[in-house]
Amino acid sequence: ETGVTQTPRHLVMGMTNKKSLKCEQHLGHNAMYWYKQSAKKPLELMFVYNFKEQTENNSVPSRFSPECPNSSHLFLHLHTLQPEDSALYLCASSQDRTGVAFFGQGTRLTVV
Amino acid sequence: AQSVSQHNHHVILSEAASLELGCNYSYGGTVNLFWYVQYPGQHLQLLLKYFSGDPLVKGIKGFEAEFIKSKFSFNLRKPSVQWSDTAEYFCAVILNDYKLSFGAGTTVTVRA
Repeated sequence: ETGVTQTPRHLVMGMTNKKSLKCEQHLGHNAMYWYKQSAKKPLELMFVYNFKEQTENNSVPSRFSPECPNSSHLFLHLHTLQPEDSALYLCASSQDRTGVAFFGQGTRLTVV
Repeated sequence: AQSVSQHNHHVILSEAASLELGCNYSYGGTVNLFWYVQYPGQHLQLLLKYFSGDPLVKGIKGFEAEFIKSKFSFNLRKPSVQWSDTAEYFCAVILNDYKLSFGAGTTVTVRA
């Protein structure tokens, strides 16, 4: 248990569906991250939030929409995804800019 | 833009063998450096970190890494691996912002 919880663990969705990934951290951290992990590729940083403010949007397509209602919760809203979006989506949190991040177990997303 | 390069995609070795994984980064300024590890079926977790001071840092489970500024490198080492060290290892860097960037990862398989 890392203190970062992601739900659901697995998700299969069609290209026309709308779904959301949820991340919750109980560590009192002020920064939260979404990463995409695909086979044989580096972890791709998608979004960074610091104190609920988005500080980084790493050229992510608009079909991915993040939401950070408070410093403990982070969502990733998904709509009209493509099969190449199938991957493991990881949430992480950290305190300030230390880079010491705590990761969730991830959501395994399959787009059919 | 910063980037992190890991030289080996997959390393296979026997128990008690020595391990060294290469990592180079492309940024010329001040960086914080990390190695993260992901054991099979588990979440990504911090193995060790370098912020400043002694360039040889010790981590958990007998791992160490050496920061060589002139070579932009932060190689990971362990003198004698165990079967339980089978995992995927990721090098990461963070600048003075919140962008924690990862390499592609190296899969290490230790044969008993």
